[in-house]
Amino acid sequence: QKEVEQDPGPLSVPEGAIVSLNCTYSNSAFQYFMWYRQYSRKGPELLMYTYSSGNKEDGRFTAQVDKSSKYISLFIRDSQPSDSATYLCAMSIFTGNQFYFGTGTSLTVIP
Amino acid sequence: GAVVSQHPSRVICKSGTSVKIECRSLDFQATTMFWYRQFPKQSLMLMATSNEGSKATYEQGVEKDKFLINHASLTLSTLTVTSAHPEDSSFYICSEKVRETQYFGPGTRLLVL
Repeated sequence: QKEVEQDPGPLSVPEGAIVSLNCTYSNSAFQYFMWYRQYSRKGPELLMYTYSSGNKEDGRFTAQVDKSSKYISLFIRDSQPSDSATYLCAMSIFTGNQFYFGTGTSLTVIP
Repeated sequence: GAVVSQHPSRVICKSGTSVKIECRSLDFQATTMFWYRQFPKQSLMLMATSNEGSKATYEQGVEKDKFLINHASLTLSTLTVTSAHPEDSSFYICSEKVRETQYFGPGTRLLVL
């Protein structure tokens, strides 16, 4: 079993839709949870960063962590064509240099 | 967030030559940096972890003599692909560790002919 599982998609939604992206994980020691957005031929860009359980909101983006279910989500409200990208989840333990990435979900927002 | 630059952004070289890719931290002192490679439509593959002033830690299956990593200062790490071959053609991305997260550079596209 992989440490982090992420549905690769592709996911296609109309402009203005609410998008839900998800990852599950198996290691209960993970404490830091990140979402990255990667445009084609570019490096990943950190979108959201949360510690432990709960919700965090930043503009149209909401990151949600449910540690009891080992499940994290990224919600995008009022999706725009510019949101079309691959979204990667990542997580880490408190100490050390190990990060665990999902394989990424490809999202297309259709105008 | 932190700002990481990479140079060059694209490089084309002949088979057998060596290519150096620079990764600079522009606003943090990066004790730890990471090097990844990414093939089209695939996820990131960690190659090595680079710590300032010490030898890099390579992931299993990554040849340390082929992919030379130097992290001589807190703002610069370099990856040298030695004796490059067409199968080394890929997208190489560096990142710096800032507290408990990573900030990535824009990537370097390497094409070996």
